[in-house]
Amino acid sequence: DADVTQTPRNRITKTGKRIMLECSQTKGHDRMYWYRQDPGLGLRLIYYSFDVKDINKGEISDGYSVSRQAQAKFSLSLESAIPNQTALYFCATSGAIPNEQFFGPGTRLTVL
Amino acid sequence: GENVEQHPSTLSVQEGDSAVIKCTYSDSASNYFPWYKQELGKRPQLIIDIRSNVGEKKDQRIAVTLNKTAKHFSLHITETQPEDSAVYFCAAGGYQKVTFGTGTKLQVIP
Repeated sequence: DADVTQTPRNRITKTGKRIMLECSQTKGHDRMYWYRQDPGLGLRLIYYSFDVKDINKGEISDGYSVSRQAQAKFSLSLESAIPNQTALYFCATSGAIPNEQFFGPGTRLTVL
Repeated sequence: GENVEQHPSTLSVQEGDSAVIKCTYSDSASNYFPWYKQELGKRPQLIIDIRSNVGEKKDQRIAVTLNKTAKHFSLHITETQPEDSAVYFCAAGGYQKVTFGTGTKLQVIP
């Protein structure tokens, strides 16, 4: 079945380290998103992309960067991780219509 | 930008009773309102959505209503079952993206 995958699934890192979270999809969707989930705060949009040449900031992009290497791959980087970036990170994809987003399994990131 | 408020944050109901979750949004340009269910340890999944040209939509035991004038929309679950226990997120937005509410943890007590 077509799916959205994320690697790694869990990661523990130290303050100041650079880390990359990767997302791949076999759904053939053009649109890809990165969210973080924190208890009580819901899902907040970090970055989104509609194609390889299109990158857009979300509501909480500070401290993060992204790369759309191909239609099927969208990576999220933390250049210098800090403890308040400890969260559950989700990648999602969407086709043009009807807007439904399909989420990956999530990456649990802990920054010590 | 869009701001979505969701209430209540937690909700406990007896099995068989109904559950209602309410959301308000701020941007009158929003025209798409999905609801996602996230079971413990799982990824969010779409359960129902509604567009601004429709006031109500039903799918078996779940229904969503939209009041564009008041900028609020609600999820109704009837005849709740233990498997309905999860976190539910509302969202509002449009073609490019949506903004999520903060979630409601629903517990259905057998």
